[in-house]
Amino acid sequence: NAGVTQTPKFQVLKTGQSMTLQCAQDMNHEYMSWYRQDPGMGLRLIHYSVGAGITDQGEVPNGYNVSRSTTEDFPLRLLSAAPSQTSVYFCASSQSQGHQPQHFGDGTRLSIL
Amino acid sequence: GESVGLHLPTLSVQEGDNSIINCAYSNSASDYFIWYKQESGKGPQFIIDIRSNMDKRQGQRVTVLLNKTVKHLSLQIAATQPGDSAVYFCAEIYGNKLVFGAGTILRVKS
Repeated sequence: NAGVTQTPKFQVLKTGQSMTLQCAQDMNHEYMSWYRQDPGMGLRLIHYSVGAGITDQGEVPNGYNVSRSTTEDFPLRLLSAAPSQTSVYFCASSQSQGHQPQHFGDGTRLSIL
Repeated sequence: GESVGLHLPTLSVQEGDNSIINCAYSNSASDYFIWYKQESGKGPQFIIDIRSNMDKRQGQRVTVLLNKTVKHLSLQIAATQPGDSAVYFCAEIYGNKLVFGAGTILRVKS
């Protein structure tokens, strides 16, 4: 059971480039979410999805897009990378949208030059 | 507000001692709380959770206490081991959003 898988693990981009961070889960979870974690801080919610075809914004959605065409996959797109988006990105999933612990991937470390 | 904060950024304990990590939350409408452990280079790992209709919950070597009157959450780790060294986050859920605190670093001295 792979759980939540994120790819790539590391990425360096130039300012203005676009990129998609991949997230896949094999637990048939309905709820998926993306967080970013900056040094010395907790995780901040970027976008989330309560099921296939449904997405919504979290605390810090600007500069990011998401889609949820299948239950398993929840990609995060950076439209035009900025240095402020340098961070570690975590994807998580849970059985339902609330009152369930979320399972996290191991993160994608992204640097924007 | 929508913030969850921790009192102590770093906690150092001797191996075998008990550890207590504290967390203050600000949203009185939050009804579900989770503690996560994060080791270097990894994603947060679920430790224990508690619902707002409870004030205590025990797991294996861990206990979570919830005081809704003062909006305070704590994680107690019994007989702390070197493998417990990590960053610990409390998180609260209200609506369908999970909000994290800043984290506490737990260092276990052998």
